[in-house]
Amino acid sequence: QVQLQESGPGLVKPSQTLSLTCTVSGGSISSNSYFWNWIRQHPGKGLEWIGYIDYTGRTYYNPSLWGRATISEDTSENSFSLKVKSVTAADTAVYFCARARDHGSSGYPSCFDNWGQGTLVTVS
Amino acid sequence: DIQMTQSPSTLSASVGDRVTITCRASQSVDRWLAWYQQKPGKAPKLLIYQASTLEGGVPSRFSGSGYGTEFTLTISSLQPDDSATYHCQQYNSLWTFGQGTRVEIK
Repeated sequence: QVQLQESGPGLVKPSQTLSLTCTVSGGSISSNSYFWNWIRQHPGKGLEWIGYIDYTGRTYYNPSLWGRATISEDTSENSFSLKVKSVTAADTAVYFCARARDHGSSGYPSCFDNWGQGTLVTVS
Repeated sequence: DIQMTQSPSTLSASVGDRVTITCRASQSVDRWLAWYQQKPGKAPKLLIYQASTLEGGVPSRFSGSGYGTEFTLTISSLQPDDSATYHCQQYNSLWTFGQGTRVEIK
């Protein structure tokens, strides 16, 4: 059973860069069947997909973040990371890492079948 | 972006009741829709994908239906453990979620 665990600072100052890491156990991020995602949830709100990295290192981001997000991987640590630059109070949220299944022949993710427990990041 | 709208936002029902949650998409998502259950302070848990396929280990009282722009999640006999927020998510074009439906037990 794959497990994901987020780590990183819980408090970030405005205009600085938010940095989080997701460590994966019980499965390899190099597997060609899955995509590795970041998703956030603003307090009391719905879920917002941020972006993903796949087993080739290809990344794709939500356009709503206006190029502020970067996802990278460390295959030696079996982990992947998120950086969001120039943060504001609007970036305060619980950040989840999650694994997505391959959406068949499309080459894109489908649904999110395994999630980390989430970590609250406050921008203040 | 495809917008997902859930209704109701909150519902209160008794143990044993049949409960239905609706999710509408701003444009067709074919059958590429998933449902999740989220309890307070926890991560979402996948219940259903491809509109109607039950994820392994999920109780059979949960079911999903729909195609195109309108989808439903049904709990056939509500149990105390079902108190949670339920989210729909489309994966036809990018990946977007509904705002969630909170299910409370009377």
